[in-house]
Amino acid sequence: DAGITQSPRHKVTETGTPVTLRCHQTENHRYMYWYRQDPGHGLRLIHYSYGVKDTDKGEVSDGYSVSRSKTEDFLLTLESATSSQTSVYFCAISEGAGRTEAFFGQGTRLTVV
Amino acid sequence: SQQGEEDPQALSIQEGENATMNCSYKTSINNLQWYRQNSGRGLVHLILIRSNEREKHSGRLRVTLDTSKKSSSLLITASRAADTASYFCAGGSGQNFVFGPGTRLSVLP
Repeated sequence: DAGITQSPRHKVTETGTPVTLRCHQTENHRYMYWYRQDPGHGLRLIHYSYGVKDTDKGEVSDGYSVSRSKTEDFLLTLESATSSQTSVYFCAISEGAGRTEAFFGQGTRLTVV
Repeated sequence: SQQGEEDPQALSIQEGENATMNCSYKTSINNLQWYRQNSGRGLVHLILIRSNEREKHSGRLRVTLDTSKKSSSLLITASRAADTASYFCAGGSGQNFVFGPGTRLSVLP
């Protein structure tokens, strides 16, 4: 696997609480992505980053925020978790964005009760 | 909205048979990529075909791309039980990748 680590791997949280997921890479790739995966929807882009402090919204960004203060770390925060945010979250990195391949982390399974 | 749409959604074949999965996309792309996902794992990149290419091979994989029809196909020859997984196409464009819902392939021994 490419040098991508997601933490935590599993989390159960209560509705209304904030949650932060972390993605750490050792590949020095410029681009980092957060996707969520739900049955029947494939992977949907939440937010992505094209450099330190440079981020943009994806298809399903409502209720999520991100930060990237260092090249190697990309944080995804659910500001006030809802049951609809129960999902598997994947971080991905890419050297050349859509021009090259992406490498994925192992995923974080988040359950909001 | 999703860029890619795979067809079929699920496919079940016998070991040794060939498996063909199709993907359609909606907008212009730089390339079309195929990924594999084993249950409970992250996606793994299989092959990338650029928009100016028509066919590409990698081992038992053969990918075609028809930009006029905005479609691609992935052929896995001589399938094995270990090929059982979900397969996703993704359109690479600009700074992003847009994934389809995937095809779930089951290869029966």
